[in-house]
Amino acid sequence: QMQLQESGPGLVKPSETLSLNCTVSGGSMSNYYWSWIRQTPWKGLEWIGYIYHSGNSSYNPSLRSRLTISLDTSKNQFSLKLTSVTAADTAVYYCAREAPTGNFDNWGQGTQVTVSS
Amino acid sequence: DIQMTQSPSSLSASVGDRVTITCQASQDITEYLNWYQQKPGKAPKLLIYEASNLETGVPSRFSGSGSGTDFTFSIASLQPEDFATYYCQQYDNLPITFGQGTRLESK
Repeated sequence: QMQLQESGPGLVKPSETLSLNCTVSGGSMSNYYWSWIRQTPWKGLEWIGYIYHSGNSSYNPSLRSRLTISLDTSKNQFSLKLTSVTAADTAVYYCAREAPTGNFDNWGQGTQVTVSS
Repeated sequence: DIQMTQSPSSLSASVGDRVTITCQASQDITEYLNWYQQKPGKAPKLLIYEASNLETGVPSRFSGSGSGTDFTFSIASLQPEDFATYYCQQYDNLPITFGQGTRLESK
């Protein structure tokens, strides 16, 4: 059974960079899209972006100017970097596997990230 | 962006009830719609994909239907473990978007 696990700081200062990793175990990263999704009580679930196993990526236009998603298949990891964060980026961040059929069939447990000085 | 509007936002029901949730897309998404269940402190769990297909291992009391802009999710006979929040999600166009959720509570 595939498992995904987020890791990274739980507290980030305003204007700094939020960096998270997702480690994938129990399966290959090939032929799937690897996504980041965040959740807040006020905006609900928000798709951040994905990277395909080939390295192609797509980002939510609302975050594109601040966002980088990268992939390291040798480590079975993919990563999120979000620059110039504000309090509005405070959320639970999930990594998830998106099947070619467009559904998120495997999720990490989620990690709370708070932006505060 | 495609807006996904779920109705109702919250719902009270009893064990054994049949429950129905609707999801309306702001434009035609054919059948590119999924449904998820989320319990407090947990990640969403995929229940239905491509509007009407039951994910492996999901009980058959869950079902989905619809196409175009109007979709329905149903639970045939509510069980105690079904009290949760349910979300629809479209993947016809990027960015992928989710409905705002329907909170299903015990009456």
